[in-house]
Amino acid sequence: GAVVSQHPSWVICKSGTSVKIECRSLDFQATTMFWYRQFPKQSLMLMATSNEGSKATYEQGVEKDKFLINHASLTLSTLTVTSAHPEDSSFYICSASRSSSSYNSPLHFGNGTRLTVT
Amino acid sequence: GQQVMQIPQYQHVQEGEDFTTYCNSSTTLSNIQWYKQRPGGHPVFLIQLVKSGEVKKQKRLTFQFGEAKKNSSLHITATQTTDVGTYFCAGPGETSGSRLTFGEGTQLTVNP
Repeated sequence: GAVVSQHPSWVICKSGTSVKIECRSLDFQATTMFWYRQFPKQSLMLMATSNEGSKATYEQGVEKDKFLINHASLTLSTLTVTSAHPEDSSFYICSASRSSSSYNSPLHFGNGTRLTVT
Repeated sequence: GQQVMQIPQYQHVQEGEDFTTYCNSSTTLSNIQWYKQRPGGHPVFLIQLVKSGEVKKQKRLTFQFGEAKKNSSLHITATQTTDVGTYFCAGPGETSGSRLTFGEGTQLTVNP
């Protein structure tokens, strides 16, 4: 089946630093990838849609200057949390779909990145 | 905007008992998807239902999509400890380009 790889699995950083998270689709090309955030015992909140070759589409309330997304190729999307603060601590998960009609198709999730900002 | 609600939020069962989680959308869905997330893990796709009234089975799991395409259910027969996890339903609205909206999830614990 489809495999989506996410790196790193966990990261601890100091307040004010930036953290980059990578998401790769290993066996298929993903024109669209999605970035989610999940707080403990809560649902997945869509942060942004990453589009290869164009700007990401951010959901309402998500700061685009805070969460920088780059979709450099059909297999790689990155999320950079800039000037991280403790309230940014969370579980970040990327996902991708095999289908070009990503909004209706099943998603394959990466393993997630647990970010802790001290 | 579209809202997807799931009940119950938590369910504790004894191994061997049945389990059901219900999913309701505020708008008509083009399809419904179910995912399972093990503790500490990431969501894993289970199944997608597209047709009104559709029923699909995966071993002990039975998935249903309502006639009005606004609700769905997941039923597990004779739960096992391996069924532990949080089950999420998710669906895009019928409007073109609608995002997948996830329900709040039902956290299942199974006592051996």
